[in-house]
Amino acid sequence: AQRVTQPEKLLSVFKGAPVELKCNYSYSGSPELFWYVQYSRQRLQLLLRHISRESIKGFTADLNKGETSFHLKKPFAQEEDSAMYYCALSVFGNQFYFGTGTSLTVIP
Amino acid sequence: SAVISQKPSRDICQRGTSLTIQCQVDSQVTMMFWYRQQPGQSLTLIATANQGSEATYESGFVIDKFPISRPNLTFSTLTVSNMSPEDSSIYLCSVASRKSNTEAFFGQGTRLTVV
Repeated sequence: AQRVTQPEKLLSVFKGAPVELKCNYSYSGSPELFWYVQYSRQRLQLLLRHISRESIKGFTADLNKGETSFHLKKPFAQEEDSAMYYCALSVFGNQFYFGTGTSLTVIP
Repeated sequence: SAVISQKPSRDICQRGTSLTIQCQVDSQVTMMFWYRQQPGQSLTLIATANQGSEATYESGFVIDKFPISRPNLTFSTLTVSNMSPEDSSIYLCSVASRKSNTEAFFGQGTRLTVV
């Protein structure tokens, strides 16, 4: 069965420091992985997806099939990055399975 | 992107009663999804609602407890029936992007408290 694990519930970093939010998954098929973000008092929204290989707001994530990981990284954290981040696995194209989320706080 | 409106945004309900949550999308979509997020937990898919057919429920969720309607391509409802305090959660409506079938858009959620 598919499963997404985010080991850190809370993560605090100083502004300008690098940040890495961890995500591991288990899925027998070919996975599609995503990161979703929820800023304070806003709805959940897509941050990035692995198939796009894009950098959004300075964040990148590389799918490592050997380690079954999809960690989210940013070299220099900003205060506006403080939010709840969810790693998600998509099956059948549009059904999502989410991790428990990591609350990131960037300290000024 | 799709704009999704959910009503109510929050409610406090007595145990044993039922609550119907509405989800309105500003464009026609084939599939709509209902998720639950219990306190401190991840989002869990409840069911997939297709227009013109019965909803498909995930393991652990049944139609009698969470009946779903999908009368047209822009609207769906989820009913939480015979509520107990364990049903206190945030319930989220979601649709897949028409442009990219692998992107999901979410409503703002319905925060339900059962007392």
